Amino acid sequence: KNEVEQSPQNLTAQEGEFITINCSYSVGISALHWLQQHPGGGIVSLFMLSSGKKKHGRLIATINIQEKHSSLHITASHPRDSAVYICAAKALYGGSQGNLIFGKGTKLSVKP
Amino acid sequence: DAGVIQSPRHEVTEMGQEVTLRCKPISGHNSLFWYRQTMMRGLELLIYFNNNVPIDDSGMPEDRFSAKMPNASFSTLKIQPSEPRDSAVYFCASSPTGINYGYTFGSGTRLTVV
Repeated sequence: KNEVEQSPQNLTAQEGEFITINCSYSVGISALHWLQQHPGGGIVSLFMLSSGKKKHGRLIATINIQEKHSSLHITASHPRDSAVYICAAKALYGGSQGNLIFGKGTKLSVKP
Repeated sequence: DAGVIQSPRHEVTEMGQEVTLRCKPISGHNSLFWYRQTMMRGLELLIYFNNNVPIDDSGMPEDRFSAKMPNASFSTLKIQPSEPRDSAVYFCASSPTGINYGYTFGSGTRLTVV
């Protein structure tokens, strides 16, 4: 079992729909990151959060530390939101305390 | 700030050749990470430096891979000899030290070994 699990793996939505991507983790973490990777390949850090909720434009990220679960929401989705969204946990314990443990990613496609 | 700078962007080489990937982290970032991304395995940590010192290299696949960070502004990842299964996108990322800081990724180097 992976330490960081994302769902769904693939998601197709119509423009304007509200989108939710989920992430569950089994390790102790100091923070959780949401990353975006566009078809061109570059990786952009969207959020880093350790509690509560953060909002940036149409993107909202939430985390529930007790349940070891985080969600990324996109409101009023647009075709330019089409990308792979990756959840990554920053491990609290172990040899790689600075390292990120990555989920497999959710491939989002927003149709016009 | 120009961000994390990686070079080259693309590299095509023949099996058996030496390949060197380069990374310049953001000035002031104490932590540097090399990641590899493949379709099969996603993103994987290869090695992690803190203050130029390798902290965790458990992700380095085998002795053919080596990484150095001679100073705070430069790191290399070398593969010698290269093999077709090394074909992947290699990302470098940097971060200030501490749990409250995010990561900045470079644009990646797409390596193809033929």
